[in-house]
Amino acid sequence: EVQLVESGGGLGQPGGSLRLSCVASGFTFSRFAMSWVRQVPGKGLQWVASISSSGGSTFYADSVKGRLTISRDNSNNTLFLQLNSLRAEDTAVYYCAQKSAYYALGSYLQAWGPGRPVTVSS
Amino acid sequence: DIQMTQSPSSLSASVGDRVTITCRASQAIGNFLAWIQQRPGKAPKSLIFGASSLQTGVPSRFSGRGSGTDFTLTISSLQPEDFATYYCQQYNSYPPIFGPGTKVELK
Repeated sequence: EVQLVESGGGLGQPGGSLRLSCVASGFTFSRFAMSWVRQVPGKGLQWVASISSSGGSTFYADSVKGRLTISRDNSNNTLFLQLNSLRAEDTAVYYCAQKSAYYALGSYLQAWGPGRPVTVSS
Repeated sequence: DIQMTQSPSSLSASVGDRVTITCRASQAIGNFLAWIQQRPGKAPKSLIFGASSLQTGVPSRFSGRGSGTDFTLTISSLQPEDFATYYCQQYNSYPPIFGPGTKVELK
């Protein structure tokens, strides 16, 4: 059974940094692209970033480009999202999601973690 | 960027009702369309991919149709656990935009 468990995040100050981690199990992590999706409480889903299985290709939403960085450690089955230059609009629940193939474009989100809240406030 | 719209934004229905939700893409996306269910307070869950293929474990009362720009999600006989918000998402090109969601509520 696929399991994705996020950790990290929490409360961060405007202009500050936070890091989210997602530990994967139940599948061969190194063979699947991964994504982060976020959701402001009471609002819809927003795609944030995706990474190919090797980590060689990354994609970002325009609203986070240059501030958020997706990366992965295939030896430890872990996906990361580094959040820098935090803004109030980054406040959301962040979901880690497994894509359906090794490539990031053209594959869909087939499994989701429970989510991790991030709050940006002074 | 491709824009996704959904209609209706919300609907009220009873257990046993047939429900259809429509999703439209601003340009053709082939069949690169997924449907995602999110129950209140829970993480999203994949239902359908490739516009019409059911994810493993998804009940057969769910079905998807369409290609190009117009897609539908149908629940043939609404069950209590189906009261949720449903999102479509295109994955044909970046950014993979989600639709705004359709909330299915108990009448």
